[in-house]
Amino acid sequence: GESVGLHLPTLSVQEGDNSIINCAYSNSASDYFIWYKQESGKGPQFIIDIRSNMDKRQGQRVTVLLNKTVKHLSLQIAATQPGDSAVYFCAETARSNDYKLSFGAGTTVTVRA
Amino acid sequence: DVKVTQSSRYLVKRTGEKVFLECVQDMDHENMFWYRQDPGLGLRLIYFSYDVKMKEKGDIPEGYSVSREKKERFSLILESASTNQTSMYLCASSSTLPTDRNQPQHFGDGTRLSIL
Repeated sequence: GESVGLHLPTLSVQEGDNSIINCAYSNSASDYFIWYKQESGKGPQFIIDIRSNMDKRQGQRVTVLLNKTVKHLSLQIAATQPGDSAVYFCAETARSNDYKLSFGAGTTVTVRA
Repeated sequence: DVKVTQSSRYLVKRTGEKVFLECVQDMDHENMFWYRQDPGLGLRLIYFSYDVKMKEKGDIPEGYSVSREKKERFSLILESASTNQTSMYLCASSSTLPTDRNQPQHFGDGTRLSIL
């Protein structure tokens, strides 16, 4: 089956710096991508999504970049704060999967004070 | 804000018991999902439902069943619990728009189930 993966399982970042979390996917037919944040003891929280007809989308302090040529997705967090410490998941779906998301294993982000 | 509520945060059951996990969403979403989350394996889809009375198998349906009698409620049933079903169970819901079927799933905070 298709797989979704994150490049690094952990990321340590200094408070105030920008964070970049990467994700690679293998299904060239994937057309919808989501980033989730999961804090300890909680369920995944929707951060931002992007459709395959876009290359970039911005939210509050977050930017998602999509490079369909190399099947790569990234989440950039500006001015990282202690509250950003969490596990971040990328997820993707293709039209043929109809509502079914495939999740990566997650990157644990730790913010150093 | 979307609210997905799972009835229990922690649950301990014994091998062979029939276990019910309940999930309710308040956003009138058509689609509901059950996942389990295990270290190193990520989220795996157990079952999902597009509408009331409808259900579809996910990637790991064995040992589970579901029930969707009302639009807002989706129940996961472990017919005869086994120790390998000890896990974090997550429920999610999403809407379907006429012009765009890709919508984000919104999750509950999970039920950590231990089977002894």
